[in-house]
Amino acid sequence: GEDVEQSLFLSVREGDSSVINCTYTDSSSTYLYWYKQEPGAGLQLLTYIFSNMDMKQDQRLTVLLNKKDKHLSLRIADTQTGDSAIYFCAESIGPRAGKSTFGDGTTLTVKP
Amino acid sequence: DTEVTQTPKHLVMGMTNKKSLKCEQHMGHRAMYWYKQKAKKPPELMFVYSYEKLSINESVPSRFSPECPNSSLLNLHLHALQPEDSALYLCASSHPGLDRVSLAGGANSYEQYFGPGTRLTVT
Repeated sequence: GEDVEQSLFLSVREGDSSVINCTYTDSSSTYLYWYKQEPGAGLQLLTYIFSNMDMKQDQRLTVLLNKKDKHLSLRIADTQTGDSAIYFCAESIGPRAGKSTFGDGTTLTVKP
Repeated sequence: DTEVTQTPKHLVMGMTNKKSLKCEQHMGHRAMYWYKQKAKKPPELMFVYSYEKLSINESVPSRFSPECPNSSLLNLHLHALQPEDSALYLCASSHPGLDRVSLAGGANSYEQYFGPGTRLTVT
């Protein structure tokens, strides 16, 4: 079945870049997502990438997809204290409404 | 409007109570979801509705009963819950995929938009 893995913790200094990594096992994954969850809040979709893309950039966020290695990364440039949150990687197979498989989340701590 | 709203924000209920969680979206999404999330864990899918019909039930106990009265609303009826059911309950919505909506030229992204959740405590 599908499996999505992330490292659990990342700590960076304010102003540095953060890179959060994710690996997935299902080669038929076609949609890959990054969500942010602040304490006590719901999940906020940050960005997503289709499997036919290698890279997507959106302001401070850069998503890189290596399909061969089934590796997804999220780079946050100029990380701010407001970026401190849990970041979930998720994948889904095809566009039909159904299951997205989530990773366990990476807790990003940004130190001033 | 890209907002999913959920009420109530917090709910405390006893094991013999009956209560309902509500979710609403006005983005024209025809897929809606209920998730359960424990602290520091990813969301676990409970139910999926597609075009107001239940399409996925992830073997959820019958003390949780979903309802989709129309394309904008999703309810979760709770009865005889257990303390271990205490969690954050998240609602989400999305386009349902390569169905009538998408083929008609609708959006071709299927990301889920989440509500802020209802923090449920069962005593």
